[in-house]
Amino acid sequence: AQSVSQHNHHVILSEAASLELGCNYSYGGTVNLFWYVQYPGQHLQLLLKYFSGDPLVKGIKGFEAEFIKSKFSFNLRKPSVQWSDTAEYFCAVNGQGAQKLVFGQGTRLTINP
Amino acid sequence: ETGVTQTPRHLVMGMTNKKSLKCEQHLGHNAMYWYKQSAKKPLELMFVYNFKEQTENNSVPSRFSPECPNSSHLFLHLHTLQPEDSALYLCASSQERSSYNEQFFGPGTRLTVL
Repeated sequence: AQSVSQHNHHVILSEAASLELGCNYSYGGTVNLFWYVQYPGQHLQLLLKYFSGDPLVKGIKGFEAEFIKSKFSFNLRKPSVQWSDTAEYFCAVNGQGAQKLVFGQGTRLTINP
Repeated sequence: ETGVTQTPRHLVMGMTNKKSLKCEQHLGHNAMYWYKQSAKKPLELMFVYNFKEQTENNSVPSRFSPECPNSSHLFLHLHTLQPEDSALYLCASSQERSSYNEQFFGPGTRLTVL
């Protein structure tokens, strides 16, 4: 069965620290990969996505993610976080052409000023 | 704004009430979804509609009844809910038959069942 695992449930960092959030997936086929962010009181919005091509994907607000096929991973990174990055982050995957999007449990990120 | 709106944003209901959640998308998409977001659990897909036809029901109890009158509107009718149904209900839309199927989410309805 398809599944997505986000190992970090709650991450607390200080401003300017570097960030890496882990995401591993289990899926038997070609995949599309997504990171969504949910700021407090706001809707889920897309941070970045990977469909094909360059495995290093750049998104909004300075975020990037790297698809490592051999490790079934799609980790999210940011070199220097800001207080405004405090939010919940969700990794998601679907098969190419498939509609069902499978989400991870989410990682709550708290940035202390 | 993502082009997906949901009303109401907050709803409190008793277990014997009947209420409906509404979702509208302004993106010209032809697929719509209902998700349930509970604390400490992954988003759970509930229903999928393509071109107004329900194509997936993810073993959702019958006290949740979806309706999709057209490709732009999606409803979730609620009746005799349980306290454990309290959650954030999210609507999403996408362009079906796209290779990428990027989904756009609404702000959600925060439901509390007393």
